[in-house]
Amino acid sequence: DAKTTQPTSMDCAEGRAANLPCNHSTISGNEYVYWYRQIHSQGPQYIIHGLKNNETNEMASLIITEDRKSSTLILPHATLRDTAVYYCIVRSPLEAGNMLTFGGGTRLMVKP
Amino acid sequence: NAGVTQTPKFRVLKTGQSMTLLCAQDMNHEYMYWYRQDPGMGLRLIHYSVGEGTTAKGEVPDGYNVSRLKKQNFLLGLESAAPSQTSVYFCASSYSGGKNEQFFGPGTRLTVL
Repeated sequence: DAKTTQPTSMDCAEGRAANLPCNHSTISGNEYVYWYRQIHSQGPQYIIHGLKNNETNEMASLIITEDRKSSTLILPHATLRDTAVYYCIVRSPLEAGNMLTFGGGTRLMVKP
Repeated sequence: NAGVTQTPKFRVLKTGQSMTLLCAQDMNHEYMYWYRQDPGMGLRLIHYSVGEGTTAKGEVPDGYNVSRLKKQNFLLGLESAAPSQTSVYFCASSYSGGKNEQFFGPGTRLTVL
């Protein structure tokens, strides 16, 4: 898996958009960008993934730069329940086992 | 659907004792995984299975064994527990490989004294 770099922590005001950056400058052509989050003491939860086009679902939007070397996860209206560690992961669907390699992630604190 | 469930939720062992962690999923997923998470760190893959009767090593397999006798169950065994195995263990499953998302269980908190 290509390595990712994320800020260690971020704060966001409740109701505002949370923009979480991820750098993956060594990503290869067939690797997707995945985002998971882990709310305190719970198992990780899938959020969204993409290859090169921007993606949106009911939870978030994923913006991937044209050169694919970085991406941003956007939570449009952050709530207190969005406080969690957010993991950006890159992997190829061709890899055996569908394994995920978790880095340190970004600890997002949503404040009232 | 219960999704992914793990048994037990908590366990305390003495060094040298053995135990088995059970993971069950009711989503008919082919792939199942065992991860461990140490304090302040991301998850690391221990073993995984791409189907009933098959298992493979992940990033940190030493000291653990696994079995996948039934499609819905994935067992993680510690034959002789060590304090270094104190961790939170998460099981996950996915429909298959490729782009499919993984669904995680609630975790088992294991302490080895």
